[in-house]
Amino acid sequence: QKEVEQNSGPLSVPEGAIASLNCTYSDRGSQSFFWYRQYSGKSPELIMFIYSNGDKEDGRFTAQLNKASQYVSLLIRDSQPSDSATYLCAVISNAGGTSYGKLTFGQGTILTVHP
Amino acid sequence: GAVVSQHPSWVICKSGTSVKIECRSLDFQATTMFWYRQFPKQSLMLMATSNEGSKATYEQGVEKDKFLINHASLTLSTLTVTSAHPEDSSFYICSASPYYEQYFGPGTRLTVT
Repeated sequence: QKEVEQNSGPLSVPEGAIASLNCTYSDRGSQSFFWYRQYSGKSPELIMFIYSNGDKEDGRFTAQLNKASQYVSLLIRDSQPSDSATYLCAVISNAGGTSYGKLTFGQGTILTVHP
Repeated sequence: GAVVSQHPSWVICKSGTSVKIECRSLDFQATTMFWYRQFPKQSLMLMATSNEGSKATYEQGVEKDKFLINHASLTLSTLTVTSAHPEDSSFYICSASPYYEQYFGPGTRLTVT
């Protein structure tokens, strides 16, 4: 089982719709969760981080964390074509006790927002 | 806030030469910096983790004598690719972490001819 799993997609949504991106993780002791956006040929950009159960909202983005289910999601409201990118879920896992704050990434979900 | 710069943004070098890439956190102090490489259409691969004033921790399979990392201050880390070969051509990305979150630099595209 992969430590962090995402649906690779591609996920295609119409402009103005809600895009829902999902991620599960295997290490129950994980404490810190991140969503990054990566455009083709560019480096990742931090969109959201969440540490506590529940929802965290920032503009059009909402991150949701459920530690009991080991599940974290990202909702993008009013999706725009400029949101088309690969979205990476990342977790700081303490597997093996040697994390040093190291991120474990999912394989990424490709999102396409069509006009 | 939380801006990380990298220099150069792209570099072409001849096989056998060395290339140094700088990573700077511009508006925060980074207790830890990370170096990644990414091949086209592949995931980020962590190469090493560095803490200011101490030796870098390299991931399994990464040659520490080939990829020299120096974390000189809380705002600067450098990666030197020594005796570069065409297979070292890749997109090298650093990140800096003030606490838990990591902020990525724009990346350096290295081409070895």
